[in-house]
Amino acid sequence: DARVTQTPRHKVTEMGQEVTMRCQPILGHNTVFWYRQTMMQGLELLAYFRNRAPLDDSGMPKDRFSAEMPDATLATLKIQPSEPRDSAVYFCASGLVVSGSSGANVLTFGAGSRLTVL
Amino acid sequence: AQSVAQPEDQVNVAEGNPLTVKCTYSVSGNPYLFWYVQYPNRGLQFLLKYITGDNLVKGSYGFEAEFNKSQTSFHLKKPSALVSDSALYFCAVRDDTGRRALTFGSGTRLQVQP
Repeated sequence: DARVTQTPRHKVTEMGQEVTMRCQPILGHNTVFWYRQTMMQGLELLAYFRNRAPLDDSGMPKDRFSAEMPDATLATLKIQPSEPRDSAVYFCASGLVVSGSSGANVLTFGAGSRLTVL
Repeated sequence: AQSVAQPEDQVNVAEGNPLTVKCTYSVSGNPYLFWYVQYPNRGLQFLLKYITGDNLVKGSYGFEAEFNKSQTSFHLKKPSALVSDSALYFCAVRDDTGRRALTFGSGTRLQVQP
C-alpha cells in the first residue's frame, strides 16, 4: 500500500528551539495538508497545498510557523521558536484532485509526528 | 464557513449490538461528507464518503452512513459492533468548490464491550 511518510515520529525539544517536520506524500498526489491534533482543540488545519502552491494557511500562526513544498516529494512544517503550547501530534495527509473538478479526494494520512516542547 | 458537530464524546455499545455515531454539519452549497477512524498512535484512515447519489453510503469494515439533507446529518452506523471497532471516529465536511480543506469534528470515542 502507498503511504504518507512523516519524520520524525517523536520529537522532544526545549522551548525556543527550531523544529522541522517532514512529510513525503504519496507519489502522484497533488494536494498536501498539515493538521495538528490536540486533546483540547481536536484536529486543526494548519496548511493546504495544491500542486505545491499554498491554498490555505489561515489556521497557521504566521509568526512562528512556516510550511513549504520544496518539491513534489517533500513537504515541511517548521516551528521557530517552539513553545510548550505547540506540543501536539502533527499529521500530514495527501490526496489527488483531478484537474478541472472540485475533487472529492480521499485523504491518506501519515502516522503523525508527536512533538513535545519542554 | 463550514463546521461539523459530533455531540457525543464517547459511545459505549456491547459487542453484537448495532452502533450509531452522530454527526451534523454546516456548509455553504453542497456538502462532501467523510468518516475517518483513528486507532491509537496511528493516523486517520478513510472509512466512507458521501458526494452525491444514494443517501445510504457503504464503507469499509461493514460501516455505513446515512446522509439526511433536511437534518444536515451524516450518522455512522454498523449493524453489529465488534470489539475491534473500538477507536476514535471523526466526521468531516467540505464544500464542493475544492478550494477548502476538510473540516473535522471533535471526534467520538467508540468503546465496544465484549
